Amino acid sequence: EDKVVQSPLSLVVHEGDTVTLNCSYEVTNFRSLLWYKQEKKAPTFLFMLTSSGIEKKSGRLSSILDKKELFSILNITATQTGDSAVYLCAVESRSNYQLIWGAGTKLIIKP
Amino acid sequence: SQTIHQWPATLVQPVGSPLSLECTVEGTSNPNLYWYRQAAGRGLQLLFYSVGIGQISSEVPQNLSASRPQDRQFILSSKKLLLSDSGFYLCAWGDRGHEQFFGPGTRLTVL
Repeated sequence: EDKVVQSPLSLVVHEGDTVTLNCSYEVTNFRSLLWYKQEKKAPTFLFMLTSSGIEKKSGRLSSILDKKELFSILNITATQTGDSAVYLCAVESRSNYQLIWGAGTKLIIKP
Repeated sequence: SQTIHQWPATLVQPVGSPLSLECTVEGTSNPNLYWYRQAAGRGLQLLFYSVGIGQISSEVPQNLSASRPQDRQFILSSKKLLLSDSGFYLCAWGDRGHEQFFGPGTRLTVL
């Protein structure tokens, strides 16, 4: 059965810290891995990763995929209180183009 | 640009009552449309997806149904709500092989 596992489930750090969020997967016929940020309502798209070893970067956020070890990490440097959110990882299968979702990591940044 | 609307934003319904949640998309044609449910502190569970008018695929057997009467309209329904139907319902649109974009969500509480 296809599955996506995120860790940790929750994390509390202080403003200015750097955090690393993990997403591992077992998905038949992998196509891509996506990261989303969810604050109070709808998830907003962060990154889509399809190739191993190529870092995607947007400001203080970056992500990389390892297709051999079947995982991805999302890094946030110099965290701010506005980074507090649930970060969701999803993997797309070529079989049906559906997204298989992890349970999310709840990140809390304390001032 | 594309936008996605959902309503209502919040709904409180008694057990056994019917349900109708509506989702509409603007600025794109023939999108793939999705209904997800998110329980508190959990990831997204795909309920239904549609690749075209009148084409509905169900991922999880339950007392919910979906319909797509027009290209950019997706409706989630139930004839009789259960307590376990409470949750946060998200509509999303996407093109095959690309990221999905989410509506603002409907928070449903069944009492």
